[in-house]
Amino acid sequence: NAGVTQTPKFQVLKTGQSMTLQCAQDMNHEYMSWYRQDPGMGLRLIHYSVGAGITDQGEVPNGYNVSRSTTEDFPLRLLSAAPSQTSVYFCASSLVLAIYNEQFFGPGTRLTVL
Amino acid sequence: GESVGLHLPTLSVQEGDNSIINCAYSNSASDYFIWYKQESGKGPQFIIDIRSNMDKRQGQRVTVLLNKTVKHLSLQIAATQPGDSAVYFCAERDTDKLIFGTGTRLQVFP
Repeated sequence: NAGVTQTPKFQVLKTGQSMTLQCAQDMNHEYMSWYRQDPGMGLRLIHYSVGAGITDQGEVPNGYNVSRSTTEDFPLRLLSAAPSQTSVYFCASSLVLAIYNEQFFGPGTRLTVL
Repeated sequence: GESVGLHLPTLSVQEGDNSIINCAYSNSASDYFIWYKQESGKGPQFIIDIRSNMDKRQGQRVTVLLNKTVKHLSLQIAATQPGDSAVYFCAERDTDKLIFGTGTRLQVFP
């Protein structure tokens, strides 16, 4: 199993550009989520999905869209990048969000918006 | 290098000593709690979790204690090793979401 994979590893955007961060898992997990991590802060939840076709907002959803057309993939779209979106983005998955169901994190995407 | 955690509280311990990392949580309705370890440049890694109806749970070299009265969680690491150096986060489940704390950096000195 490859686990949770994220692409790209690094990205530089100009203000106003759009892009999609890719996330995929091969563990047949139902629950997937996106977090951002800023210096000196913990992870903040952007969006999550409890299964294919179902998505919901987390703590900081503004400026981001997600979709979940398959169990495996959960892309995160930045509609019009802003410098405030400079951060490290982590995707995570677990079978379900419940105790004794470990959540696995991807290696992260480091995004800089100029 | 990794810029995350520049302003995090830091715990410095000597190799072989025990470490205690603390966390305050906010939601008394959270039904379980998790500790994660994050090494520089990597994603968080699960360490141990505990259900809200438990006070203590032990793993390999780690123990999590839960005090619901004061909404406090702690992670104890026995015989701390250099490989334990990382940032440690607690998280609580709020329905379908995990809410993370700000983290503590653990530095282990020889």
